[in-house]
Amino acid sequence: AQSVTQLGSHVSVSEGALVLLRCNYSSSVPPYLFWYVQYPNQGLQLLLKYTSAATLVKGINGFEAEFKKSETSFHLTKPSAHMSDAAEYFCAVSLARSSNTGKLIFGQGTTLQVKP
Amino acid sequence: DTAVSQTPKYLVTQMGNDKSIKCEQNLGHDTMYWYKQDSKKFLKIMFSYNNKELIINETVPNRFSPKSPDKAHLNLHINSLELGDSAVYFCASSQVSVIAGGGRTGELFFGEGSRLTVL
Repeated sequence: AQSVTQLGSHVSVSEGALVLLRCNYSSSVPPYLFWYVQYPNQGLQLLLKYTSAATLVKGINGFEAEFKKSETSFHLTKPSAHMSDAAEYFCAVSLARSSNTGKLIFGQGTTLQVKP
Repeated sequence: DTAVSQTPKYLVTQMGNDKSIKCEQNLGHDTMYWYKQDSKKFLKIMFSYNNKELIINETVPNRFSPKSPDKAHLNLHINSLELGDSAVYFCASSQVSVIAGGGRTGELFFGEGSRLTVL
């Protein structure tokens, strides 16, 4: 069975500082990995995804993530935080196999606070 | 033009009542999902339909019954509502297809959620 663990339910950074949100996965087969963002009272929006191509994935709004198989990690980073980045961030995993239904298993989420 | 739309956005009701949430997507996707987000923001899949066929049913109580009249619509009916059903319910859709390497995946597009409060 696959699962996702996001380390740190709350992360606080200053505007302009590096953002690092941690995600570790567990999967019996090669995974596909995703980061989603949820702004208050809205649905989830895809930031980026890893589907076994390049291990360094660039997404929207200046975010990127690196798939590290040896560490079973897919941490999300952004060099310089903006106030508008304050939101809930979810890491998710699905299975890289032909029978995949598209179902995503989500981590518990990390709230990103950006201080002026 | 909203890609995945849910109605109603807010729903307040009494215990024991029956209620429905409707979802429509205009993206032409063949797979739709219901996810439940609890008060701690944890997201858990409930159901998934592919071309009107139920493909995922994640040990959800029988009081929850999804229905997909066509591949663009997925509704959720809840009977005998309980306090613990209070949550935000998200509909999502995707086009699951084979990609390089032979695996299948697709990006999920989410609706804005329906916040259900059971009193």
